[in-house]
Formats: sequence, structure tokens, C-alpha cells
Amino acid sequence: DTAVSQTPKYLVTQMGNDKSIKCEQNLGHDTMYWYKQDSKKFLKIMFSYNNKELIINETVPNRFSPKSPDKAHLNLHINSLELGDSAVYFCASSDGEGAQYFGPGTRLLVL
Amino acid sequence: QKEVEQDPGPLSVPEGAIVSLNCTYSNSAFQYFMWYRQYSRKGPELLMYTYSSGNKEDGRFTAQVDKSSKYISLFIRDSQPSDSATYLCATLSGGGADGLTFGKGTHLIIQP
Repeated sequence: DTAVSQTPKYLVTQMGNDKSIKCEQNLGHDTMYWYKQDSKKFLKIMFSYNNKELIINETVPNRFSPKSPDKAHLNLHINSLELGDSAVYFCASSDGEGAQYFGPGTRLLVL
Repeated sequence: QKEVEQDPGPLSVPEGAIVSLNCTYSNSAFQYFMWYRQYSRKGPELLMYTYSSGNKEDGRFTAQVDKSSKYISLFIRDSQPSDSATYLCATLSGGGADGLTFGKGTHLIIQP
């Protein structure tokens, strides 16, 4: 069983479109995150949710909107996609004790 | 000054060698220290997790944290070609919902 899963794995789209990425974890964790890994492979936190409540919102354009329908799911919706949004987006989850477990990533390419 | 510094490599060693990977950090509030392994086009995989200073060993892997010098190390014994990957150090000041602060990763190549 995959602990943290994401769909889709790959997303190719045109500038200006709106797209969503979905994440699910079956670890029973209360906390979930979105990270962005840029072309230089640097991983940076975007958002964190604890029990469906937004906790961290780093300096991310408000075109990015996370939503947590329940504590096992955290989705990321991106409006008006720009070329600079091309990156790999990782979902992660944690039991709040420090260690975070990552999904396989969604590779987004904006043309 | 970046919060977590890590030499990007590449670091190339022969199979069977002992590998030493290191990071330094600047924020003395960091309490949790992790090492992740990331294969190409895969997600980061948690290898080692340490709270505060000290050593932790798991099979061929040993993690060391020296909070006095703000230095984090990962040692890999009897390195294998399958250990070839990017190794990311990560730190965290508190538990809860804090985001990890990552180094840029070291690309490790184990030559058969």
C-alpha cells in the first residue's frame, strides 16, 4: 500500500489554464504539506495543514489554493498557470513528531 | 546566509568505500534533523531521523548531529551502486505543522 499518493504524476498544460493536484495519505497522520522542488532540485515548503486547518502559508502567490476536505486528503489548485510554475510538487504527511513522509511527486510543465 | 548549506557535489566514490555527507545550519532553534534519499524522478525517502544532538545508526547508515557546531553528517558504510542518489539533509525547529528546511542536496555516485 502506498503511504502518500499523488495524482496526476505528470501534468502538461498551457499558460493561463487552471489545474489541480490531489494527495492522499493512509498513514493516519493529522498534518499534511505541499512542497515545491524547482529546476535546481531545491525543495521548499508551500503550505501545511493540520486536521484540515491551514497552518503555514509561505510566500506563495494567491493563485495557489490548497484545500483539505478531510485529514487524509490535501489538494492543490493552481489558477492562471505561469511558466515559472513549472516544477515538481510534492505532498507530505507527518504525525507531528518531526519526520515527514513524501509522495512520489507531480511533475508540472507549463507551456 | 542560507539556513542549511550542503555541497551539491557530485561526489563519486568506488563501491565499498565509506561515504561522508555533511550539512551545516545557521538557526540554533533547529531541533529535528533528517536525511532523505531521492532517486531520479522519485519522491524523497526518509532515511534517518534524529532529535537533538547525538548519533543514530541504522544498518549501513549512521547519522550524527553536533548542535554546538551546527553540523550534521551522514555516513554510509560498504557503499553500493544502489546508494547512488541525491541525499538531502533537512531540519525542523519544532514538531507540529512546521515545514522542513532543506539543504540543496548532494548528488552521490557509487562506481561499481
